[in-house]
Amino acid sequence: QVQLQQSGPGQVKPSQTLSLTCAISGDGVSRNSVAWNWIRQSPSRGLEWLGRTYYRSKWNTDYALSVKGRITINADTSKNQFSLQLNSVTPEDTAVYYCTRWTDYTTNFARFDPWGQGTLVTVSS
Amino acid sequence: DIQMTQSPSSVSASVGDRVTITCRASQAISSWLAWYQQEPGKAPKLLIYAASSLQSGVPSRFSGSGSGTDFTLTISSLQPEDFATYYCQQAHSLPPTFGGGTKVEI
Repeated sequence: QVQLQQSGPGQVKPSQTLSLTCAISGDGVSRNSVAWNWIRQSPSRGLEWLGRTYYRSKWNTDYALSVKGRITINADTSKNQFSLQLNSVTPEDTAVYYCTRWTDYTTNFARFDPWGQGTLVTVSS
Repeated sequence: DIQMTQSPSSVSASVGDRVTITCRASQAISSWLAWYQQEPGKAPKLLIYAASSLQSGVPSRFSGSGSGTDFTLTISSLQPEDFATYYCQQAHSLPPTFGGGTKVEI
């Protein structure tokens, strides 16, 4: 059974960097046909996909336009985990952040499963 | 981006009721659609993918249908543990996008 365990601080000051990590058990971060994603949820934005990383001969990333330029998603194969960094945060980045696996994303069987437990990140001084 | 519109935004129902939730995509997405259930304070949980494929372990009272732009999630006989918020999500094009949610309440 695949499980994702999130870690990272729940409070970040404005203009600083939000950093979260998602540890994977039961699957490999480098496995083909899966991508590793970050999604956030807030009352104002709903569920918002932030980006993904996946391995296809090399590591690839895709990011949402809303955060492009501020976001980095990296995989760490030695620890079998992936991470999110979001720079220059503002109060609008306050949300619950989730990591999740996107399986079969090149087919119509694409699905987000499982999800991490979620981390409420509050941007406040 | 593909916009996903769910209706209704909330529905009041009783145990044993049949509940239907609809989701409309702003452009055709074939069957690249998934449904999720979210209980308060928890992460979303996958119910249905490819519009009508039931995720392993999900009760058979949940079913999905549709193709193109119009989709439905049906709960055939509502159980107490089904009171939650439901989201549709398209996987046809980047970025993947979610509907605004339908809250099923008593």
